[in-house]
Amino acid sequence: NAGVTQTPKFRVLKTGQSMTLLCAQDMNHEYMYWYRQDPGMGLRLIHYSVGEGTTAKGEVPDGYNVSRLKKQNFLLGLESAAPSQTSVYFCASSKTETQYFGPGTRLLVL
Amino acid sequence: QQPVQSPQAVILREGEDAVINCSSSKALYSVHWYRQKHGEAPVFLMILLKGGEQKGHEKISASFNEKKQQSSLYLTASQLSYSGTYFCGTETSGSRLTFGEGTQLTVNP
Repeated sequence: NAGVTQTPKFRVLKTGQSMTLLCAQDMNHEYMYWYRQDPGMGLRLIHYSVGEGTTAKGEVPDGYNVSRLKKQNFLLGLESAAPSQTSVYFCASSKTETQYFGPGTRLLVL
Repeated sequence: QQPVQSPQAVILREGEDAVINCSSSKALYSVHWYRQKHGEAPVFLMILLKGGEQKGHEKISASFNEKKQQSSLYLTASQLSYSGTYFCGTETSGSRLTFGEGTQLTVNP
């Protein structure tokens, strides 16, 4: 099992560009999450999903959109990137309480 | 609401003990502990549920004081491999898991 994988690992964007981060899990988990991690601020929840076809806002959803068309995939989109969105993005999935994290995507917005 | 962790950072020599605290202003259903090594993903350590007992994982254990809305993580006889940032995550009524800012633990030889 690969667990939770994220694509890409690293990306540089210019302000105003758009991109999609892909998260995939092969553990048949119902729940999936997108977090951002900034220095000194821990992990902050952006959006999450409790099952295929569902999404919900987390703590810091502004500027992001998500989709969960397939149970194993959770996509995070940035429609118009801003420097404030420079961060490390982690995806996670869970069946019950324990969350399993992917390796992260480093995003730099210039 | 984000839980508060203390201390923010701690430096130990191999073999020493450490305690990391996590507190919330809201009644907690559960407390989760994760460890993240530099440049890696957070890894689950343990979960403490309301009404549950103290948990242990190798020489790392934790307690949950429901009355005080606090949890403490105990690292005994620390090893070099314990270095990393420790996060607590708390669940309250109607909220998803919310993580603290983390405690950076450095274990030196």
